[in-house]
Amino acid sequence: DVKVTQSSRYLVKRTGEKVFLECVQDMDHENMFWYRQDPGLGLRLIYFSYDVKMKEKGDIPEGYSVSREKKERFSLILESASTNQTSMYLCATGGPNINIQYFGAGTRLSVL
Amino acid sequence: GEDVEQSLFLSVREGDSSVINCTYTDSSSTYLYWYKQEPGAGLQLLTYIFSNMDMKQDQRLTVLLNKKDKHLSLRIADTQTGDSAIYFCAESNTGYSTLTFGKGTMLLVSP
Repeated sequence: DVKVTQSSRYLVKRTGEKVFLECVQDMDHENMFWYRQDPGLGLRLIYFSYDVKMKEKGDIPEGYSVSREKKERFSLILESASTNQTSMYLCATGGPNINIQYFGAGTRLSVL
Repeated sequence: GEDVEQSLFLSVREGDSSVINCTYTDSSSTYLYWYKQEPGAGLQLLTYIFSNMDMKQDQRLTVLLNKKDKHLSLRIADTQTGDSAIYFCAESNTGYSTLTFGKGTMLLVSP
């Protein structure tokens, strides 16, 4: 079974803090993704990576950056957290075929 | 850009069939997917269908694809309270690693 682990289930941060959300996968997948999920808006792609040290902007990259130093780890960084970044963040991985994505359990981030 | 539309809410009684509908705009979609999200959890792949297929059945799940109308449906037979969740439709193209998701349909199954 594919395992996608997000480091925290719940996180509370203050406005202006730098926030790191970590995601680790154990299936040697090339592709990794970060989404945010908000009520009524569904899933929106923030960034994705198709290889180590490679990154591509998704639909809503503003206010975020990412890091992929190792194949199994993909980090989402909020440089200066703001209240409108309060959301559920979902990490996913994908192999080379059929574009199936496998999701972690999510991190619910609250920015106060 | 590509768009995937779903109704937001469906309520059924236990034992009935549920049908969740999805429309998409990208005529070059290669694969279409159904994901399930239970409360407080990530998304879990339920099933997928290749664009050259009309139907796929997997136990209680039946996926129907009308490529001409760009319409996808998920039928759940004998719906159970454990089927209560949000169901997402998604599509992708060959050669692209990203998926386009619909906003999700919340299915509520009452006893």
